[in-house]
Amino acid sequence: AQTVTQSQPEMSVQEAETVTLSCTYDTSESDYYLFWYKQPPSRQMILVIRQEAYKQQNATENRFSVNFQKAAKSFSLKISDSQLGDAAMYFCAYLRGGSNYKLTFGKGTLLTVNP
Amino acid sequence: DADVTQTPRNRITKTGKRIMLECSQTKGHDRMYWYRQDPGLGLRLIYYSFDVKDINKGEISDGYSVSRQAQAKFSLSLESAIPNQTALYFCATSDFRGGYTGELFFGEGSRLTVL
Repeated sequence: AQTVTQSQPEMSVQEAETVTLSCTYDTSESDYYLFWYKQPPSRQMILVIRQEAYKQQNATENRFSVNFQKAAKSFSLKISDSQLGDAAMYFCAYLRGGSNYKLTFGKGTLLTVNP
Repeated sequence: DADVTQTPRNRITKTGKRIMLECSQTKGHDRMYWYRQDPGLGLRLIYYSFDVKDINKGEISDGYSVSRQAQAKFSLSLESAIPNQTALYFCATSDFRGGYTGELFFGEGSRLTVL
């Protein structure tokens, strides 16, 4: 079974600074997708960014970018110019390619943004 | 209005009671899921349904049952609730037939407390 590991239960960052959240995963597949989801205090789960394994280029969404290291099975999320609204629980997730597979989540990293 | 609606949002019940959590979606997605979130454990899959007639167990299905009443409705039942089923429950959808990206779209969660 695939596993997703987030080694940082909690992180903190100063407003306007940059922070990187770590995620590693275990798989023998070559076709898969990786995701970062954000869960603010409202508890709504929101997709932050998505990466297809076959793409070498790292995904970017405004202030959010990933560092995808396929050989190392690492998928870190970088948040630039951190804002108070970035404070949330962040979950890394893995999806095996194909039609019959389900998302596997890591245990989450709680990000605090200090003013 | 939310595309994925869960009811109730919060519920307190007693051990041994039967509880149903309901989920309805207006996104027209074919796939629906029930996840459970516990602090420090991330999200774990309880049941999933790829179609009205296709229902599958996830990694933690014991003590739960589901019903897919229509493409838009997927309910989760706890036949006899126990305290360790106290958790935040999420319904989610994904669109396979319309162009699969793997992204899940979540409801706002149902917080269940079993006393």
